[in-house]
Amino acid sequence: SQTIHQWPATLVQPVGSPLSLECTVEGTSNPNLYWYRQPAGRGLQLLFYSVGIGQISSEVPQNLSASRPQDRQFILSSKKLLLSDSGFYLCAWARDWADYGYTFGSGTRLTVV
Amino acid sequence: AQTVTQSQPEMSVQEAETVTLSCTYDTSESDYYLFWYKQPPSRQMILVIRQEAYKQQNATENRFSVNFQKAAKSFSLKISDSQLGDAAMYFCAYALNFGKGTSLLVTP
Repeated sequence: SQTIHQWPATLVQPVGSPLSLECTVEGTSNPNLYWYRQPAGRGLQLLFYSVGIGQISSEVPQNLSASRPQDRQFILSSKKLLLSDSGFYLCAWARDWADYGYTFGSGTRLTVV
Repeated sequence: AQTVTQSQPEMSVQEAETVTLSCTYDTSESDYYLFWYKQPPSRQMILVIRQEAYKQQNATENRFSVNFQKAAKSFSLKISDSQLGDAAMYFCAYALNFGKGTSLLVTP
């Protein structure tokens, strides 16, 4: 069976510090991978998605970036965090491009102080 | 632009009763999928039900069913025999887009 792991679960970081959130999927190959942000517990905003290694599409211009160094690994990064980066971040995977029946990770609550 | 609209920020239902959550979407595609997700207080997003647009039959998963009106671009979720564990945020989704969610309260 397929599983998705996302860590850390919570993170408190000072303004200007770097960020690295990691997501890995097990039990499948070549998944479509996604990073979403959920500010204030409502509505999901798509940040990045990837259909293959090294292929990253950005939906929202900002100081965040994403990378996919391995088939089942998706990383969300920032060189310098802003207060506005605080929120709940969710990683998800889906089997097919047209089928967005996501399986989500458990999320990361990021607080920038 | 592809958008998803949930017009009910909050809904309340009594245990064992039925509740319907509304969702409309915008698309120019003819074949697509629609989804409802549940997010309980733990914030773990869970796929509740999926509807394929080319199928006329409404999807059903146990107590959860949808009313899919393709021409009207409407996709509502019906929860029958509501249980306390159904209390959560519910999100409608189309393609990469999610609605803003409906908070469902279940009262004893």
